[in-house]
Amino acid sequence: EAGVTQFPSHSVIEKGQTVTLRCDPISGHDNLYWYRRVMGKEIKFLLHFVKESKQDESGMPNNRFLAERTGGTYSTLKVQPAELEDSGVYFCASSQGQGSYNEQFFGPGTRLTVL
Amino acid sequence: QKEVEQNSGPLSVPEGAIASLNCTYSDRGSQSFFWYRQYSGKSPELIMSIYSNGDKEDGRFTAQLNKASQYVSLLIRDSQPSDSATYLCAVSVSSNTGKLIFGQGTTLQVKP
Repeated sequence: EAGVTQFPSHSVIEKGQTVTLRCDPISGHDNLYWYRRVMGKEIKFLLHFVKESKQDESGMPNNRFLAERTGGTYSTLKVQPAELEDSGVYFCASSQGQGSYNEQFFGPGTRLTVL
Repeated sequence: QKEVEQNSGPLSVPEGAIASLNCTYSDRGSQSFFWYRQYSGKSPELIMSIYSNGDKEDGRFTAQLNKASQYVSLLIRDSQPSDSATYLCAVSVSSNTGKLIFGQGTTLQVKP
């Protein structure tokens, strides 16, 4: 069974540009999460989808970030316009069920560098 | 005070020894607890989950949870050099979303 995949693995862009990150969850997993780790800090939650619906977006830093999950399969996270402080590693995770007792499986992450 | 705290280390143990990794959390409503292992540049890999007080064993790994003390630990027996990695403690508070709150991670070095 394929794990969570993310694309691209690395992205280097200039401040003010737009970047779109993609996540493909494990097949059959309705729950999809985005997390971010900025340098020197812990991994932090951004948002949670159940199928195509946003269940919790309390961790999204500001309105420059837009996440979508059309059709309830893969998800995209767009940053527009990117700022220097957006640099970090963006992880996607998926789980079969919803709630605290469901194990989340992480993808390899996308390392974003904003110059 | 951070929501989930771990000693960043590095924790250095000789091969074959027991490595003990610790984590404390601040929210008494926390419901489930996870340990992830992360090799440099790789994804966090789930190695243990624990939901109730006491010990849970899986191979060389034992997770221990004490909700009264708000403390969760991971013991690695017979440590191997391949266990050298960063170990992340993650806590889930919300019963609706299951979002995880992570500690900064403890770096473990197992020396041959």
